[in-house]
Amino acid sequence: SQQGEEDPQALSIQEGENATMNCSYKTSINNLQWYRQNSGRGLVHLILIRSNEREKHSGRLRVTLDTSKKSSSLLITASRAADTASYFCATDARGNKLVFGAGTILRVKS
Amino acid sequence: DVKVTQSSRYLVKRTGEKVFLECVQDMDHENMFWYRQDPGLGLRLIYFSYDVKMKEKGDIPEGYSVSREKKERFSLILESASTNQTSMYLCASSRELAGDLNNEQFFGPGTRLTVL
Repeated sequence: SQQGEEDPQALSIQEGENATMNCSYKTSINNLQWYRQNSGRGLVHLILIRSNEREKHSGRLRVTLDTSKKSSSLLITASRAADTASYFCATDARGNKLVFGAGTILRVKS
Repeated sequence: DVKVTQSSRYLVKRTGEKVFLECVQDMDHENMFWYRQDPGLGLRLIYFSYDVKMKEKGDIPEGYSVSREKKERFSLILESASTNQTSMYLCASSRELAGDLNNEQFFGPGTRLTVL
C-alpha cells in the first residue's frame, strides 16, 4: 500500500471551525510535506516538517509529526470557504522520490 | 515566484495517436517530474529527470517516454495513446530531490487528457 495515507478521505465543516487531517506512513523519513490542490488545478506546497521537528506553524496551519507513530497531522484553524480543497501529504520514504497519499477532500461551508 | 507552465489545460486525442505534453519551468531547477492523478489513487510518478538528458523511471512508466533536451523543458510522450491513459497529468519541478533539505515541488496547473 502507499506511503502517506490520509485520513479522513473527506471532511465537511462550517466556516470558522477547525479542520484536522491525518497522515500515516510506513517507513522512516527525512521529512514530510503537505500540499493543497484546488479543484482541477496543480498542487501548492504548504509546509515541510523535518524528522527532527515535532511541530511547525505557518499562518493558520499547524503541522505535527510523530515519528514514533509514523504519523502527521495538519490543523487548519478558523477555516474559510477558500480553504475548500484537497490536501495531500508526501513523504520521502522512497529515497529521491516523493510519495503522495490519496488525499483528504475538505469542504468548508459558509 | 516559481512558475511551471504546461502547454495545454485540456486535450482530447484519439486512440493510437502520439501525444506530446510539454512543461516549462523558469526557476533553473535541476529536477522535473511527471505525475498522473486519478480519483482515489493520488499522484503517481511516471518519470522524473534530475539533469538535462537524464531521466529515471517512476512507478508507472509503461506506455510513456520523456525528453529533456533543455534544463527548463520536460516533455512527456504517449507513443500510442490508449483510453486507460485518460487522466490528469501534472508536471512539477524542484531544486533538490526528495530526502534533501529543500525538496518542495512546484506544480504546473495540469493537463486533463481525454483519449477517445
